[in-house]
Amino acid sequence: AQTVTQSQPEMSVQEAETVTLSCTYDTSENNYYLFWYKQPPSRQMILVIRQEAYKQQNATENRFSVNFQKAAKSFSLKISDSQLGDTAMYFCAFLGPDNAGNMLTFGGGTRLMVKP
Amino acid sequence: NAGVTQTPKFRVLKTGQSMTLLCAQDMNHEYMYWYRQDPGMGLRLIHYSVGEGTTAKGEVPDGYNVSRLKKQNFLLGLESAAPSQTSVYFCASSYVGRRYNEQFFGPGTRLTVL
Repeated sequence: AQTVTQSQPEMSVQEAETVTLSCTYDTSENNYYLFWYKQPPSRQMILVIRQEAYKQQNATENRFSVNFQKAAKSFSLKISDSQLGDTAMYFCAFLGPDNAGNMLTFGGGTRLMVKP
Repeated sequence: NAGVTQTPKFRVLKTGQSMTLLCAQDMNHEYMYWYRQDPGMGLRLIHYSVGEGTTAKGEVPDGYNVSRLKKQNFLLGLESAAPSQTSVYFCASSYVGRRYNEQFFGPGTRLTVL
C-alpha cells in the first residue's frame, strides 16, 4: 500500500513571501499521479495542482508550482507571493496506476498561516 | 451546476442511533467516494463506487454501509453510531479514466456522536 507523509504539521509565512510545503511518498510503481489539495476554513477541498509521474517537467499553476523529484519520491509545493487567502490546510495525495476506482491516498496535511 | 452537495451539514447523534448521509452530484460522474476526516489527519476513504449499483470498501469501512441506487446519488449509512465515528464526512466524485481523475468534493458533514 502507498503511504504519503507530510512532515510539517504547521507552517507560517509573511504575506508576499515564498513558502515550500514538503511531501514524500512511498511506492514501487512507475506511473502515478500526485496532487496538492487546499482546504480553507470553509472546509471545502480545492485542487491546487496535479503532476503526472511520467512528465519530467514540474507543474505550475500561477503562483503555485511543484518540485517533483521522482527518484527521491518527493513532491513539494511552492507558493510564491503568498496571500492571506492562501491560509489553509494543504494535503498531498497519491493516485496509483492500477487503481480502477481512482482512489486517492492522502497525507496528514500541513496547516499554513499567512501573516499580514 | 451545483457540483457535489451533501445533506445534512451538521448532525448530532446519540450512541446507538442510526442515520444516513446523502451525497448528490450533477456532473454525470461515474465514480463517487465517501471519506472521513478526523482532527489533525488527512482524509481516509470509507467506501467508494465505480458506477450505479456497485460499491466497494475503502480503508476504513467498518461500521458503515453505502448504496448507489442512482448514478447521481451515493448514500452513507451508520446503523448504530459510536463516539469513534465523530468526524467530518466528505463526499467526492470523479470522471472515469485516469486522464480525468480530479476528484470534486462536497462541503462536508460534521457529525458528532455523544
